[in-house]
Amino acid sequence: RKEVEQDPGPFNVPEGATVAFNCTYSNSASQSFFWYRQDCRKEPKLLMSVYSSGNEDGRFTAQLNRASQYISLLIRDSKLSDSATYLCVVNTRGGNAGGTSYGKLTFGQGTILTVHP
Amino acid sequence: EPEVTQTPSHQVTQMGQEVILRCVPISNHLYFYWYRQILGQKVEFLVSFYNNEISEKSEIFDDQFSVERPDGSNFTLKIRSTKLEDSAMYFCASSGREWNNEQFFGPGTRLTVL
Repeated sequence: RKEVEQDPGPFNVPEGATVAFNCTYSNSASQSFFWYRQDCRKEPKLLMSVYSSGNEDGRFTAQLNRASQYISLLIRDSKLSDSATYLCVVNTRGGNAGGTSYGKLTFGQGTILTVHP
Repeated sequence: EPEVTQTPSHQVTQMGQEVILRCVPISNHLYFYWYRQILGQKVEFLVSFYNNEISEKSEIFDDQFSVERPDGSNFTLKIRSTKLEDSAMYFCASSGREWNNEQFFGPGTRLTVL
C-alpha cells in the first residue's frame, strides 16, 4: 500500500464549481498533515495545515479523520487560478541516523486540477 | 515575507562530476531538509538536518550525498559523483521552532546530468 494515496484525477471543472480531493495515508504514526499546491515546474507551496477538528481558509476546507487515516480538501467556487496539482502531505517522525528524527514529509503523487472558463 | 532561496536555479553537469546545491533557509528556522522530484514523479524526501547533524535520511541518500551547514545561513547538498539518474529538481525546505511545523520550500535547483 502506498504511504500516501490520492485520487488519481485529473479533475477538469468549470469556474464556480465545487471540487473535493481525497487522500489516505498508511502510517498511523503520522503526526501532522498538510495540503500543498504545486504549479508546473515550481516548488510545493503550503495551502493549509489539516486538523482533526477540520479547518477552513476562505474557499478551502480541509478535514482529517485519524481513525480512518483519511484527509480531504474541498474547494468551493473554483477560480481559474486554482488550476494546479494538489499534494496531500503527511509529516512523520522516525529516525535512522542515530538520533531522533525531526520529521519528514511524505507526499502523495498529486491530483491535477484544471479550472476552465 | 521571508522565503527560502536556492542557487543555482539550473545546473548542468557531466556524469561523474561533483555538484553542490546551495540553499539559504528562512533565518529563524531550526530544521532543514532536502527533497527531490524526478520529472513526472512525486516529491521524495532525501534528508533532514537539525542542530548541525543529520537526523534522518532516505535510501536515496547514499554515500554519494552529503549535507553541510557551513555557516549560520547556508545549507548545502553535495553530490560527489553524479549519475544520470540524479537528474531531478532538488528542493530545500525549512521549518520553524517545532519539528512538525509547516515546511517552506525554496524554488528548487534543476539538476541535469549528461
